[in-house]
Amino acid sequence: DIQMTQSPSTLSASVGDRVTITCRASQDSSGSLAWYQQKQGKAPKLLIYDASSLENGVPSRFSGSESGTEFTLTISSLQPDDFATYYCQQYRGYPYTFGQGTKLEIK
Amino acid sequence: QVQMVQSGAEVKKPGASVKVSCKASGYTFTDYYLHWVRQAPGQGFEWMGWVNPHTGGTNYAQKFRGRVTMTRDTSITTAFLDLSSLRSDDTAIYYCAKDSLPVAGSSANFDFWGQGTQVTVSS
Repeated sequence: DIQMTQSPSTLSASVGDRVTITCRASQDSSGSLAWYQQKQGKAPKLLIYDASSLENGVPSRFSGSESGTEFTLTISSLQPDDFATYYCQQYRGYPYTFGQGTKLEIK
Repeated sequence: QVQMVQSGAEVKKPGASVKVSCKASGYTFTDYYLHWVRQAPGQGFEWMGWVNPHTGGTNYAQKFRGRVTMTRDTSITTAFLDLSSLRSDDTAIYYCAKDSLPVAGSSANFDFWGQGTQVTVSS
């Protein structure tokens, strides 16, 4: 299985901050990576797919990048609505696997 | 608009089976894989498998083979998840999720999700 190691597990930040969340794959994922946002008691929302493509309707302050087996989600200027938990997911190989999540908290 | 509406919460005893449904609307049901993903309390997500609504074909994660069955009824655009021999560690929220690309170019990232079904396994 491809293991996804996500960091940090918790991140405290303020409105307007630029934040970065990282996911490292145990094997080559060849760009087959998605990022999701989940708010308490809700289903996840797709933000980024294919490592760097923005899902329709997602604000442009969200972006994704890839360097080897390391993937990054960046929020350029945090908004109040962005405080949530974020997960990465690889779909390069079966079984599809997720990172353990990063909880983004208000500082 | 796309909607995925799941059946209600279930409480089961260890060793029992559970069947969760997912009613899809707002898109061509047979064109997109339907995945099942679960989330245990305070945990991350675990992909369980997919069903091809057009053919009924399936692909299950190795961990669940022998205990899971995914089916669909195209006449009512509904997918079903059957999980048998339930254990306490099957307690989780079970989600259905639509693949973002049509079957021919399946991507296995998920653009629409059901609201989740809480399954609790307890004696």
